[in-house]
Parts: sequence; structure tokens; C-alpha cells
Amino acid sequence: IAGITQAPTSQILAAGRRMTLRCTQDMRHNAMYWYRQDLGLGLRLIHYSNTAGTTGKGEVPDGYSVSRANTDDFPLTLASAVPSQTSVYFCASSDGSGVTDTQYFGPGTRLTVL
Amino acid sequence: KQEVTQIPAALSVPEGENLVLNCSFTDSAIYNLQWFRQDPGKGLTSLLLIQSSQREQTSGRLNASLDKSSGRSTLYIAASQPGDSATYLCAVSTGANSKLTFGKGITLSVRP
Repeated sequence: IAGITQAPTSQILAAGRRMTLRCTQDMRHNAMYWYRQDLGLGLRLIHYSNTAGTTGKGEVPDGYSVSRANTDDFPLTLASAVPSQTSVYFCASSDGSGVTDTQYFGPGTRLTVL
Repeated sequence: KQEVTQIPAALSVPEGENLVLNCSFTDSAIYNLQWFRQDPGKGLTSLLLIQSSQREQTSGRLNASLDKSSGRSTLYIAASQPGDSATYLCAVSTGANSKLTFGKGITLSVRP
């Protein structure tokens, strides 16, 4: 069982380019999340999905979009990348059970926008 | 808006010491509180989850406590080892959809 996989591992991107970060989980979890982690700011939620077909905005959604066509995949798209989107991006999933819900994290994607 | 604070940002201790990592949060209406470990360049690994109705959870040398009324949690690490060196993050869930609000973490270094 792989858990959560993310691709690419790292990427250098020119400003203005479109980029999709991929996230796949094999735990059949209902809920999935995207976070960004920045030095001094910690982890912040970008978007989330409680179940396939639904998405919601987190704390820092501007400049990002997500889709949840099926249970396993939750891609994050930067339509037109800007340098402030340079960060480490983590995908996570959970079974959505509420008070006992533990989140499982992927290894992250390190993105640099020049 | 929920805010989670972890102080200090970094801690260095000699091997074998028992230590306590602190976490505070502003809104006591939480579903659960979770402690994670993050090694450099890696993702987060869940250590312990304390439900809002619980006071503590234990796993091996780790013990986490929760005082909802005062907005505090502590992670106790017994007999620390160099392998415990990592960043420890506290996070609280304040909604049924399990969204987490994270503290900025405490970077622990255990000296041999």
C-alpha cells in the first residue's frame, strides 16, 4: 500500500505558466486536502474535498483550483503561477469520520516559481 | 478564527532527558487535537490524536494531554533519543469536515 503519492517531487516553473500538482491516495479515504508550507508561516490549507464531486476553499485559495472527479485523485492547479506561490505543497487525506479523523500526508512537492 | 501557538520554536536537549512540548489554541470548540512529526524534507506523520472528550493519549514513549477549557495541549517525550530529532506540529480540528489549523511547530534537537 503506497498511501499518498504526489507528483512531481520538485519543479521549477516560469511565472505565468500553468501547473498541475498531482495527488493520488489508495486508502479509499473520503476527504482530501491541499496545504502549502512556508518558512515562518507554517502549514496553511488551500482547498479541501469532503467527498468525490465536492470541493471547498481553505485559508489561502486564491490563485489555485482543484477538482475531485473520483475518490482517489485530487489535483491542484495553478492557472498562472506567480513567485509568491513558491512553496512546498502537501496533499493529505482522511476518512472523514470527524472526532477520530487522522490525516495522512504525502511526501510533498517543492515548487519554485521564477 | 482559530489560532494555534507553539513556543518555543526550537529546543535542544541532551539524550535521555524527559521533555514537554507545548501547544495552545484560542477556540476551545474543537473536535480533536493532533500531534504530528515532520523530518527534514519529508511529509507529516501522525503521532497521536486526542478526541475532544479525552484528556490524554499514549503511544510508546509519547504521551499527549489535552485541557480544552484552558486551550492547551502538551506532548511529553520520555527518555529522549537522537532519533527523536524532528519538527513536532500541533493541529486542531474545529469542524466536522476535519479541516486542521496548524501551529508553526517546534524543532527538537536531541544531542547524543
